[in-house]
Amino acid sequence: NAGVTQTPKFQVLKTGQSMTLQCAQDMNHNSMYWYRQDPGMGLRLIYYSASEGTTDKGEVPNGYNVSRLNKREFSLRLESAAPSQTSVYFCASSTQGWRGEQYFGPGTRLTVT
Amino acid sequence: AQSVTQPDIHITVSEGASLELRCNYSYGATPYLFWYVQSPGQGLQLLLKYFSGDTLVQGIKGFEAEFKRSQSSFNLRKPSVHWSDAAEYFCAVSGFGNEKLTFGTGTRLTIIP
Repeated sequence: NAGVTQTPKFQVLKTGQSMTLQCAQDMNHNSMYWYRQDPGMGLRLIYYSASEGTTDKGEVPNGYNVSRLNKREFSLRLESAAPSQTSVYFCASSTQGWRGEQYFGPGTRLTVT
Repeated sequence: AQSVTQPDIHITVSEGASLELRCNYSYGATPYLFWYVQSPGQGLQLLLKYFSGDTLVQGIKGFEAEFKRSQSSFNLRKPSVHWSDAAEYFCAVSGFGNEKLTFGTGTRLTIIP
């Protein structure tokens, strides 16, 4: 039981490049989330998926897109990376939506130059 | 919308000393309250949560938190800290109306011998 896995662990992009962050969970959770973590700002919600087939914007969705590929996988895409997207990205999942414990992946550290 | 304030950015305590981390929330109805811990380079892990009932909740690793509605607070405590407790701690709130989870900005805990 691996929990929540994220790939890659580290990534450096040049401004304007695109990339997809992958996330998968093996706990049969309905809900999945993408957060970014910046110093002094805590975690901010980018997008979430309450259940397979649905996605919704969070607090900071601009510049990102998501795909809930199936119940296990939830990917985050940066179409044209900007230095402001330099951050640590966390994927999480839960079985009870916003009321339940969220299980976090180990994170992806992204640098955009 | 709900909000969370963690007034202490950084706290240093001696190993074996007691610990209290402060959390104040703003929410108009019954909150769901959480404390998460993040060890360096890791994702977040749930320490404890409060939904209803007994206002003193016990969590993992010897932590406890007390919900005080009159003070809009949910402070985290531990009677005797260990060097392994050095980490960043996040308070978070969601709501009975299925509001999204909102995180505080975190408190970094340093343990000195």
